[in-house]
Amino acid sequence: NAGVTQTPKFRILKIGQSMTLQCTQDMNHNYMYWYRQDPGMGLKLIYYSVGAGITDKGEVPNGYNVSRSTTEDFPLRLELAAPSQTSVYFCASSYGLAGVNEQFFGPGTRLTVL
Amino acid sequence: AQSVTQPDIHITVSEGASLELRCNYSYGATPYLFWYVQSPGQGLQLLLKYFSGDTLVQGIKGFEAEFKRSQSSFNLRKPSVHWSDAAEYFCAVGVDRGSTLGRLYFGRGTQLTVWP
Repeated sequence: NAGVTQTPKFRILKIGQSMTLQCTQDMNHNYMYWYRQDPGMGLKLIYYSVGAGITDKGEVPNGYNVSRSTTEDFPLRLELAAPSQTSVYFCASSYGLAGVNEQFFGPGTRLTVL
Repeated sequence: AQSVTQPDIHITVSEGASLELRCNYSYGATPYLFWYVQSPGQGLQLLLKYFSGDTLVQGIKGFEAEFKRSQSSFNLRKPSVHWSDAAEYFCAVGVDRGSTLGRLYFGRGTQLTVWP
């Protein structure tokens, strides 16, 4: 099993550009999550999904969109990149609810918006 | 509202010394508590978790944590630190009810440096 994979690993965007961060898991987990990690701030939940076709906002959803058409994939879309979106983005999945079950994390995508 | 506080931003210990990382939480019900570790350039990995029962829980890599309800704490310990333990450690509280069902709330992390 590859676990949770994310692409790309690094990306530099100009202000106003758009991009999609890809996330795939091969563990057949229903629950998937997107976090952002800023220095000294821990992880903040952006969006999560409890299954294909079902998504919901987390703590910091503004400026992002998600979709979940399959169990395996959970892409994160940035429509109009802003410098405030410079961060490291982690995708995670879990068999059950994250609050009570282990989450498995991808290696992260480091995004810089200039 | 639920929250997690890790009072120590950075801790430095010598290899072979004991380690304790502090974590305090705020949650109205019995918490689900986790410690995750993040090695440089990697995602997070679960060290251990507490749901109920014995308040001293054992995890991977020789780590343990003790849940103290009276102090709202879940401190992580290791008797003898190895150089490979250098990483960032995150405490987290899980929510199993209400409008934020299923979410995990992370502390800001403690960076551990190990001197040889």
